[in-house]
Amino acid sequence: IAGITQAPTSQILAAGRRMTLRCTQDMRHNAMYWYRQDLGLGLRLIHYSNTAGTTGKGEVPDGYSVSRANTDDFPLTLASAVPSQTSVYFCASSEGQGIGEQFFGPGTRLTVL
Amino acid sequence: SQKIEQNSEALNIQEGKTATLTCNYTNYSPAYLQWYRQDPGRGPVFLLLIRENEKEKRKERLKVTFDTTLKQSLFHITASQPADSATYLCEISSGSARQLTFGSGTQLTVLP
Repeated sequence: IAGITQAPTSQILAAGRRMTLRCTQDMRHNAMYWYRQDLGLGLRLIHYSNTAGTTGKGEVPDGYSVSRANTDDFPLTLASAVPSQTSVYFCASSEGQGIGEQFFGPGTRLTVL
Repeated sequence: SQKIEQNSEALNIQEGKTATLTCNYTNYSPAYLQWYRQDPGRGPVFLLLIRENEKEKRKERLKVTFDTTLKQSLFHITASQPADSATYLCEISSGSARQLTFGSGTQLTVLP
């Protein structure tokens, strides 16, 4: 593994289903982030974690939850998917907490029908 | 709430010219501002960071300015090449992860 990996690459999901997007980094970065990217709206922060064991809400947290049990993994869960959650999801990490270069994963394209 | 705007959705320029992209923000006093490049189907890649007490930053053909009075950053690519074609995103932050904010991006096309 080099950098950040995300899984799955893409997913089609029926509304109401539960889905977990996976994110793993091997850079030992303290901070990790989840963004969604929609056409014309840019990247919007969903949740973040400054360090293992802590999480915080970003701009658009409703309908999503996260956990940070260890430094490397930061899964994003949609408890009951809705069509408005159709988007491209990016995970990122940084050495500093909210400061400095963020390294992004390749993204997960999620379609909720 | 803080708002960030990038000058236009799309910018076309001729190869060899200087591309200038604009990022304006309101209701905010960021501690720093960053620029990223994003290619289709891929995650953003960091280019440059500039702090509030810095006027200008350079890296090879890239230059960023930061004017906290105008609440604006300019991103320049000199001697542009078709390979510079991509979407460029600006991001502002106070240093708190909760306040990270991205602009919607400017799609730059460099014509050969």
